[in-house]
This record gives sequence, C-alpha cells and structure tokens, in this order.
Amino acid sequence: DTAVSQTPKYLVTQMGNDKSIKCEQNLGHDTMYWYKQDSKKFLKIMFSYNNKELIINETVPNRFSPKSPDKAHLNLHINSLELGDSAVYFCASSQDTSRTNEQFFGPGTRLTVL
Amino acid sequence: RKEVEQDPGPFNVPEGATVAFNCTYSNSASQSFFWYRQDCRKEPKLLMSVYSSGNEDGRFTAQLNRASQYISLLIRDSKLSDSATYLCVVNMEGAGNMLTFGGGTRLMVKP
Repeated sequence: DTAVSQTPKYLVTQMGNDKSIKCEQNLGHDTMYWYKQDSKKFLKIMFSYNNKELIINETVPNRFSPKSPDKAHLNLHINSLELGDSAVYFCASSQDTSRTNEQFFGPGTRLTVL
Repeated sequence: RKEVEQDPGPFNVPEGATVAFNCTYSNSASQSFFWYRQDCRKEPKLLMSVYSSGNEDGRFTAQLNRASQYISLLIRDSKLSDSATYLCVVNMEGAGNMLTFGGGTRLMVKP
C-alpha cells in the first residue's frame, strides 16, 4: 500500500524534450508538493497545492507547470528540458497546510537530461 | 548565508557510540522544526519533530534553542541501521506548509 507514489522512477531524455512526472497519494491529504533535490543533495520546494489550488510557487522557471486534476494527484510537466534540470524530483503530501503537519514523500523520480 | 546550515559530515562512529548533530537557521520567524532521515537513494522520512522544551524518542533526543537559532539531535547507542543522512528542517512563518531543508549530515555507523 504505497502512500505517495510517483512515475516514472527513472527518466532519461534529451535536451529540449518535454516530459511529465506523475504523483498520486492515497492518504486523503489536502496538500501536495513538488521538491527538487540537486546533485549537492539540497532539497528545495518548487510548488505546493492545497485542494487543487496553487499556494506556493518558489521562483521556478515557467517551463515547469504543475497540474492537479484532483486533490489526490499532482503532476509535473517540464517543457524544453535543460541540462540543469537533471535532479531527483520528490512529490510529497500532508494533511493540510498546518506547519506542524508531517510531509510524506514519494520515492522520487531521477531525471537525467543528456 | 544558507537558511538552514548543517555540517555535511560524514560522521564515522562505532556501534554503540553517542553522536550529536547541530543545525542553525537564519530566520528568527521560523515556527516549526523537524529532523528528517534520508537513506541513500531513498525519500526523506520524518524522524521527529523538535519542540521548544526538547523531546526524546527512544535513543533520539532533539533540542531547540530559539535564542541562538540552533537545533540539535543526539543519538545514543548508535546502531548500524542509523547510517543515513539526517536533514534539519525548518518551517518558516507564512503561507502554506513550506519546509526549508538543510543540506544534511551524513552518519556512518561502523561495526
């Protein structure tokens, strides 16, 4: 019973391509997130959605477009991929936007742009 | 200056040792504090929240010093399975549940 799942687990693609990563949570949570962990292992928030509404967008290039069709899903579409987009992307969810709530992370998607 | 700073390590300790990690944060308006654990090539998982009065969970003790903007994690009687990267995490005041992660401290427990 995977709580937060992401597909694909690995993604290797060429510069300039467009790709999507999917995320689903079965925890009944209201809030979902996308994080990027770069080669130096720093984990940074990209987006946060609460009940399908965008609430955080941390100066991410507009080549990155999140989409939340319902509160259990938050997908990430990336246009015109660049070398610097290579990273591990983690999806996460929490009960709601309360600051004390634990965030549950998916297993990550390792994106390599060649 | 990074918002959340940690010594990256690695800390190499023998089984049974006591080890302590420290973390400093720059934003005095920070409201909530956590330690997350990340195993190699895995996702981060919450280890424990950190409360103002300090708190303990088995072999793990977390302390918070708001005046110095300093958080610590003490692990007693280290096990091989404690080998991982420990991420200091802060939740700033403001919209949403936006976590700011430190770069992590790597711990390797040796037999």
